Amino acid sequence: DVKVTQSSRYLVKRTGEKVFLECVQDMDHENMFWYRQDPGLGLRLIYFSYDVKMKEKGDIPEGYSVSREKKERFSLILESASTNQTSMYLCASTAPRGGEQYFGPGTRLTVT
Amino acid sequence: DQQVKQNSPSLSVQEGRISILNCDYTNSMFDYFLWYKKYPAEGPTFLISISSIKDKNEDGRFTVFLNKSAKHLSLHIVPSQPGDSAVYFCAASISGSARQLTFGSGTQLTVLP
Repeated sequence: DVKVTQSSRYLVKRTGEKVFLECVQDMDHENMFWYRQDPGLGLRLIYFSYDVKMKEKGDIPEGYSVSREKKERFSLILESASTNQTSMYLCASTAPRGGEQYFGPGTRLTVT
Repeated sequence: DQQVKQNSPSLSVQEGRISILNCDYTNSMFDYFLWYKKYPAEGPTFLISISSIKDKNEDGRFTVFLNKSAKHLSLHIVPSQPGDSAVYFCAASISGSARQLTFGSGTQLTVLP
């Protein structure tokens, strides 16, 4: 079974703090993704990576950055958290041939 | 501009009856479609998919139909069970795009006992 884990289930941070969200997958997948889920908006792609040290902007990259130093790990960074970044953050991975993406359990981030 | 749309935010169905969830897309380049189910406080889990070369795919109680000319797909659940109550997302992708998925906004299905 593919396993995608995220470092925290719940996080509360203050405005202006730097926030790191970590994601690890154990299936040797090349492709990894970060989404945020908001009510009525579905899942929106923030960034994705198709190889180590490679990254591509998704639909809503503003205010975020990412890091992929190892194949199994993909980190999402909020350089200076703002209240409009309060959301559910979901990480996913998939093999190069595609098919379904496998999701982690999500991190509910609240910025106060 | 939403390329994948789920126009019904919610749907209630009686246990044992059929649930039909709908999804429309605008990008004619999409050639692979998926449905995911999501429970609260969990990540989405893959349900079923369909390639654009097919118009139907079945897996147990779940069937996905694709109408390419109408740019419309639907998920049928028969019979519906209370455990099916969840948010359902449809998603679409283009071959060769690292399987980057574009998601709809989701439909909350409630199956009433």
